[in-house]
Amino acid sequence: DAKTTQPPSMDCAEGRAANLPCNHSTISGNEYVYWYRQIHSQGPQYIIHGLKNNETNEMASLIITEDRKSSTLILPHATLRDTAVYYCIVSQGAQKLVFGQGTRLTINP
Amino acid sequence: SAVISQKPSRDICQRGTSLTIQCQVDSQVTMMFWYRQQPGQSLTLIATANQGSEATYESGFVIDKFPISRPNLTFSTLTVSNMSPEDSSIYLCSARPLADTQYFGPGTRLTVL
Repeated sequence: DAKTTQPPSMDCAEGRAANLPCNHSTISGNEYVYWYRQIHSQGPQYIIHGLKNNETNEMASLIITEDRKSSTLILPHATLRDTAVYYCIVSQGAQKLVFGQGTRLTINP
Repeated sequence: SAVISQKPSRDICQRGTSLTIQCQVDSQVTMMFWYRQQPGQSLTLIATANQGSEATYESGFVIDKFPISRPNLTFSTLTVSNMSPEDSSIYLCSARPLADTQYFGPGTRLTVL
């Protein structure tokens, strides 16, 4: 599976959009980009995933660059409850997920 | 989607003993996984639990230490054997329904004294 690189930490003001970057320059054509988050002491929560097109659901938007070497997860109106560690994972559709260190996002009031 | 429950949610054990963690999924799933999360660290995959055959272990994990069962498509167990304080971690069960994404249970917090 391709490796991902994420900033170790980010801060965002409550009510603003949180934009979390992820680099995956070695991604192959059949690998998806997955985003999960882990709120303290809970199991990881699925957020969104995509292959090449941008995706949006009730939680977030995923923007994947045209060359697929990087992506951005957007939380449009961050709340205090969005404070968590966010993991960007690249994996083939039916394969296991391998977690990196993620980005610790802190939403400030 | 899949809803996953784990038992126990937490336990405190003495070194040298073993603990079996149960994982129940509310629907049949093709793949189940076990992860470990040591304090302050990210998740590490222990093994893939295969229905009807031996689990597939990741590098650094062995069957004698972490025996896994998967008797059917909705249930799996992970045993942490001959525990030491270094085994203190959160153990997470995960499942992937057919043609769907992967979901996680709430975890089992294990403390070994």
